[in-house]
Amino acid sequence: DTEVTQTPKHLVMGMTNKKSLKCEQHMGHRAMYWYKQKAKKPPELMFVYSYEKLSINESVPSRFSPECPNSSLLNLHLHALQPEDSALYLCASSIRALNTEAFFGQGTRLTVV
Amino acid sequence: SQQGEEDPQALSIQEGENATMNCSYKTSINNLQWYRQNSGRGLVHLILIRSNEREKHSGRLRVTLDTSKKSSSLLITASRAADTASYFCATVWGFTGTASKLTFGTGTRLQVTL
Repeated sequence: DTEVTQTPKHLVMGMTNKKSLKCEQHMGHRAMYWYKQKAKKPPELMFVYSYEKLSINESVPSRFSPECPNSSLLNLHLHALQPEDSALYLCASSIRALNTEAFFGQGTRLTVV
Repeated sequence: SQQGEEDPQALSIQEGENATMNCSYKTSINNLQWYRQNSGRGLVHLILIRSNEREKHSGRLRVTLDTSKKSSSLLITASRAADTASYFCATVWGFTGTASKLTFGTGTRLQVTL
């Protein structure tokens, strides 16, 4: 199994809603990542988890809250988002957080209304 | 920001021609990777070149790395319509002892026509 699975594929939420994005991999990877990608732009790194611990936070607003319940799962909790947060959210994993390729999920297309 | 700059931003070629994309970055890196993305969906890893390597091949792909110039190039030979996609370079850097950053360049949109 070389897949990173993200759910849901599409999400529309209001600015007062609370929602979660989920990411799952069963490759035994110990590094997991969240990226945000706006249209026609490169992915922007948000968070890096290494061995289930948050290791890198790229100064992301607190309305985005990551969680890594175990080595296979990564969540991104969303609360009080703004319309400008609408984007494609990508999850990725790699064997370790150095020197190895990353495997990406297909992303969650988020629209904040 | 370590985000790399790629050029050209867009490239249109005919099937059978070669496509070359260039990437420049700002700080020391552990390795540099190239990814492909179709229609704003997930990215697919193409090739990884370590900082102590100068050239690497994989099928129709050839990647070079010049750490003195902080630049890399991706060559796709004998392009096909199916190669139409966005291509991103990505650098691994900023090792904290437990994790490192994988950050992407601005990307090149490649269009291959029949």
